[in-house]
Amino acid sequence: DIQMTQSPSSLSASVGDRVTITCRASEYISSYLNWYQQKPGKAPRLLIYDGSSLQSGVPSRFSGRRSGTDYTLIISSLQPEDLATYYCQQSYSNPTFGPGTKVDI
Amino acid sequence: EVLLEQSGAEVKKPGEFLRISCKGSGYTFTSYWINWVRQMPGKGLEWMGRIDPRESQITYSPSFQGHVTISVDKSISTAYLQWSSLKASDSAIYYCARQASSYYGMEVWGQGTTVTVSS
Repeated sequence: DIQMTQSPSSLSASVGDRVTITCRASEYISSYLNWYQQKPGKAPRLLIYDGSSLQSGVPSRFSGRRSGTDYTLIISSLQPEDLATYYCQQSYSNPTFGPGTKVDI
Repeated sequence: EVLLEQSGAEVKKPGEFLRISCKGSGYTFTSYWINWVRQMPGKGLEWMGRIDPRESQITYSPSFQGHVTISVDKSISTAYLQWSSLKASDSAIYYCARQASSYYGMEVWGQGTTVTVSS
């Protein structure tokens, strides 16, 4: 299985801050990298697919980038409702998720 | 509205049988794969396996192969996840999630089914 790593494992930021979360795959995954948001007590929600495509209905402050084997989720201006854990997931082969990044406000 | 509706919370004893369900509505059920994802208490997401409802083709994660069974009833747009003999370590929240095909993300999720296994 392809292993996914994420950094940091947690972060604390203020409203309005720019937040960056990084994900790396153990093998080549092309651009098949997705990002999910999971709020406490809720099901995950797809934010970004194909590395940088914004899922319908997701605020534009969320974006995804790829640089070589590193994939980045960017929240351009953190909002109180962004309190959540964020997971990356590769869909190049059988799906695997990263361990998650918990974002505190 | 596209929905995946999961069956309700279950409390079972070790060794018991359990089947939970995931019913799709608002879309053509056979046009999308259904994935099952486990989340143990306080932990991350683990992909268990998926089924293509059109052909009933199933792919399991090696970590779950032989421990669970995934199935589907196309006539009622419902996918299932079952255990023949539960263990305490099966206590978790189980999510179903829709996926268009390979390479795509899981863009619609069920609300989750909490399974508690305790003697």
